[in-house]
Amino acid sequence: DAEITQSPRHKITETGRQVTLACHQTWNHNNMFWYRQDLGHGLRLIHYSYGVHDTNKGEVSDGYSVSRSNTEDLPLTLESAASSQTSVYFCASRQAGDLDTQYFGPGTRLTVL
Amino acid sequence: GQQVMQIPQYQHVQEGEDFTTYCNSSTTLSNIQWYKQRPGGHPVFLIQLVKSGEVKKQKRLTFQFGEAKKNSSLHITATQTTDVGTYFCAGYDNYGQNFVFGPGTRLSVLP
Repeated sequence: DAEITQSPRHKITETGRQVTLACHQTWNHNNMFWYRQDLGHGLRLIHYSYGVHDTNKGEVSDGYSVSRSNTEDLPLTLESAASSQTSVYFCASRQAGDLDTQYFGPGTRLTVL
Repeated sequence: GQQVMQIPQYQHVQEGEDFTTYCNSSTTLSNIQWYKQRPGGHPVFLIQLVKSGEVKKQKRLTFQFGEAKKNSSLHITATQTTDVGTYFCAGYDNYGQNFVFGPGTRLSVLP
């Protein structure tokens, strides 16, 4: 069955370190998204991609970057991790249109000490 | 920018009671989607509404999209412990530029 996976599921790192969170989907979806989830803020969009080599900034993109070299993967990189980036990160994908469902990965819990 | 609010933030109900969460957008939405997230889980799509005034039902869940396409509601009849979780609404503004999630309503159901 097609699915969307994230790794690692849990990560503890130190301030200033570079961290990359992986997202892999086998739906063959064109659109992929990264969100962070914090208490009281719901899901906030970090970056998104509508296809290979396409990336766009979301609402809270500062301190994060993404790259899309193939359809299946959209890794999220924290260039220099900060304590404010401690959060749960969700990757999501959808086929193409605005009216399509987003399918979410299981999430990565990141702690920055 | 576009803002999506949900009320209440938290709701505790006795099993068997009804529950309603409301979603309000600062701008007109082209569509509204509802997601459910169980504790410790990830958001799972429930339904999408597109037309003004649209009402859809899924068993004990009733979803409504306002006439002005700026608000929506989710009503659960006779809640069960399996309904526990956080319910999010999300939608695109009419320009299709921004897809924004509301902050969610966390539902607790006491047996």
